Amino acid sequence: DTEVTQTPKHLVMGMTNKKSLKCEQHMGHRAMYWYKQKAKKPPELMFVYSYEKLSINESVPSRFSPECPNSSLLNLHLHALQPEDSALYLCASSQSQDNSPLHFGNGTRLTVT
Amino acid sequence: GNSVTQMEGPVTLSEEAFLTINCTYTATGYPSLFWYVQYPGEGLQLLLKATKADDKGSNKGFEATYRKETTSFHLEKGSVQVSDSAVYFCALRDSGAGSYQLTFGKGTKLSVIP
Repeated sequence: DTEVTQTPKHLVMGMTNKKSLKCEQHMGHRAMYWYKQKAKKPPELMFVYSYEKLSINESVPSRFSPECPNSSLLNLHLHALQPEDSALYLCASSQSQDNSPLHFGNGTRLTVT
Repeated sequence: GNSVTQMEGPVTLSEEAFLTINCTYTATGYPSLFWYVQYPGEGLQLLLKATKADDKGSNKGFEATYRKETTSFHLEKGSVQVSDSAVYFCALRDSGAGSYQLTFGKGTKLSVIP
């Protein structure tokens, strides 16, 4: 069982919709991450939050908007997505932004129609 | 910059065969090394880790040893099972770049047949 919980597991949305992905961890980790994974590829980093502040944005389009309401929660707000944004979105956490391992959730499978 | 190179897949083995997946890395600092496994339809699970030279990470019968002299972290298992069928990612986190980003290899798909 994963200690990082992501909801929903699957999401289908149109290009004009607004939706949110949610992530929760209760391991006391202070760094949280959003990754995007396309089929047969490794995950690609999108955002990093460290102590609830955005520390890394990997030049992600503004139609993706992250939010960290508290140290346990991480959201990804989606608006006006494109079909090429369809992918598996993974949340992860680590003790801090150092060389400790990341713990991943099971992801949200997003399909944009 | 940092990089991880894994052997190309897919790898197909019969049950109880010996598994080796090669992984080599380049890093600007002194990295921690990881193997992650991704089962179909799931996220990534940390399989094992090593934080310094000559450390051996092990879990579920899998092992990997941090070899600084050869910059390698090869994954091995003595007897694979059908349930080991998954994609395996070698990865590193390095202090040298300052941001401690996780660098992944491209992944190796393993299929184990009965």
